[in-house]
Amino acid sequence: DMKVTQMPRYLIKRMGENVLLECGQDMSHETMYWYRQDPGLGLQLIYISYDVDSNSEGDIPKGYRVSRKKREHFSLILDSAKTNQTSVYFCASRTGRGGQLYFGEGSKLTVL
Amino acid sequence: AQKVTQTQTSISVMEKTTVTMDCVYETQDSSYFLFWYKQTASGEIVFLIRQDSYKKENATVGHYSLNFQKPKSSIGLIITATQIEDSAVYFCAMREGTGNTRKLIFGLGTTLQVQP
Repeated sequence: DMKVTQMPRYLIKRMGENVLLECGQDMSHETMYWYRQDPGLGLQLIYISYDVDSNSEGDIPKGYRVSRKKREHFSLILDSAKTNQTSVYFCASRTGRGGQLYFGEGSKLTVL
Repeated sequence: AQKVTQTQTSISVMEKTTVTMDCVYETQDSSYFLFWYKQTASGEIVFLIRQDSYKKENATVGHYSLNFQKPKSSIGLIITATQIEDSAVYFCAMREGTGNTRKLIFGLGTTLQVQP
């Protein structure tokens, strides 16, 4: 069953705390993505990972970093979270060249 | 730089009618892939349909079809015989086919409401 799983689904943190969002996929897809979604701004690309330890900045990487030590697992890390990082974060993985993305269910982060 | 624009913020239609959602894109690449995704009220984002730039035939999947007008850099989504459950936000997206980047860039979305 093709599935992208995100944990946690909901998270509340205080400003300055560290945040770890985790994403797993069971399809052995090479390429994985992290997006954030905000009202009126659509889906904005934070980072792309082409495979293990092969990551590239997207359009809004500032304030984020990623880790991919296993093909099936891709983490998004916020060191010292800020209130403007309150958002819904989506992880996705892609099948083949030109293939469609499979999205996780999203992780809603609130930074107080 | 690539860009995807959806000019319709929201559309309301009656059930069982046909709706078309517009999308225009910008790219310098000769090879690219175009996608439509649907986001339901629960937040779930699912892939609907895809068009490869080198294909002249419009893609069709179920009651979704595309109107690909390459000279106009346009990829419209057509939903025929709309159903209440088609109510959602629809995103157009593009990925360039060459180069090292594998960015998939999304438009801002069109909210579709299907009325009974």
